Amino acid sequence: EAQVTQNPRYLITVTGKKLTVTCSQNMNHEYMSWYRQDPGLGLRQIYYSMNVEVTDKGDVPEGYKVSRKEKRNFPLILESPSPNQTSLYFCASRWDSNTGELFFGEGSRLTVL
Amino acid sequence: GENVEQHPSTLSVQEGDSAVIKCTYSDSASNYFPWYKQELGKRPQLIIDIRSNVGEKKDQRIAVTLNKTAKHFSLHITETQPEDSAVYFCAATMVRAGKSTFGDGTTLTVKP
Repeated sequence: EAQVTQNPRYLITVTGKKLTVTCSQNMNHEYMSWYRQDPGLGLRQIYYSMNVEVTDKGDVPEGYKVSRKEKRNFPLILESPSPNQTSLYFCASRWDSNTGELFFGEGSRLTVL
Repeated sequence: GENVEQHPSTLSVQEGDSAVIKCTYSDSASNYFPWYKQELGKRPQLIIDIRSNVGEKKDQRIAVTLNKTAKHFSLHITETQPEDSAVYFCAATMVRAGKSTFGDGTTLTVKP
């Protein structure tokens, strides 16, 4: 089954404790991206990757890191989480730089105390 | 950067009525305009999209129109049903550049 898988789905953590949210897709998509969703603010792009070893900042990259060492994986790293990073996070992928439709993961709800 | 405004933020209609949601964007480099539906607790899913070289697209009860000159696009849902109740997001995407900017969402409620 074609899918985008995120882990963990739910996480409660404390300020400053490094965490990684993993994202994996099995559709051989070149493009992957991370978004955060907050009430009334829609989806805001954090980082995106056009292909392996190519990453770029979205609209809200502060406090986040990403890496793209393999085509299927695009982890989101919070080196020192803060309460303002409490949010619902979505990973998404699409075929390549010519296609637009995004396929979203199920989301990861993160709470930073 | 790109800025997308979406209106209204909430919309309530009677079953069978039509619903229209409008979005405006600022950057003429945006060339792909999808609409996503997000049900409560679920992921966003594409319902319809349009590219900048097309003015209108229809899929059964759903249609999207694009006015490139005015930089706005709209979602039209006809014969609404209770299962259409959800949050709808528009987006403006620069496909080759990788950037996607979403509207803030519209909560649509269809009353039986």
